Amino acid sequence: QKEVEQNSGPLSVPEGAIASLNCTYSDRGSQSFFWYRQYSGKSPELIMSIYSNGDKEDGRFTAQLNKASQYVSLLIRDSQPSDSATYLCAVSYMDSNYQLIWGAGTKLIIKP
Amino acid sequence: DTEVTQTPKHLVMGMTNKKSLKCEQHMGHRAMYWYKQKAKKPPELMFVYSYEKLSINESVPSRFSPECPNSSLLNLHLHALQPEDSALYLCASSQEKEGGVRTDTQYFGPGTRLTVL
Repeated sequence: QKEVEQNSGPLSVPEGAIASLNCTYSDRGSQSFFWYRQYSGKSPELIMSIYSNGDKEDGRFTAQLNKASQYVSLLIRDSQPSDSATYLCAVSYMDSNYQLIWGAGTKLIIKP
Repeated sequence: DTEVTQTPKHLVMGMTNKKSLKCEQHMGHRAMYWYKQKAKKPPELMFVYSYEKLSINESVPSRFSPECPNSSLLNLHLHALQPEDSALYLCASSQEKEGGVRTDTQYFGPGTRLTVL
């Protein structure tokens, strides 16, 4: 059974610090990896996608993928109170016709 | 532009009502999805349409009936719902490739908050 695991948190980080969110997955046949941000009562918003080993940077966000260790992480630099949200990790698999397997989400709180 | 629109934003209905949720995208995406999301849970896949054909039905009760009139539109028809069906209903569409690699990156609409009385 394909699984994606995240620490549910809450993860509390001071404003201006680096927030580090982690996600592990069970199946080595994984293809693509996504981080979504979801504010309370709103829909998920795509933050980052990554499908090759290594780092991918976009503004204050960096996604890191390590397929050998089966984890993907999201770093948020210079954290702002507006970054407070639930971050959902999702993984797609070719043999599941690229449907997403979701983690339970990590609640991030940025303290001013 | 990665916009998916959904109407209505909020819907309150009784258990005997018939209503429909609507979703639209003009990004040329060929796959569209319906998800159901309960509070503090990740989205739960209901249906997938690929090239306007229903490709995945995740054992959803028949009181939910999807329809894809064309490549840009997706409807979800609701009939005889139960209070436990109250949730945020999300539509998404996916871009098949990113940088030449198949990724099926999904973009979500704002959702419809459904309350069944």
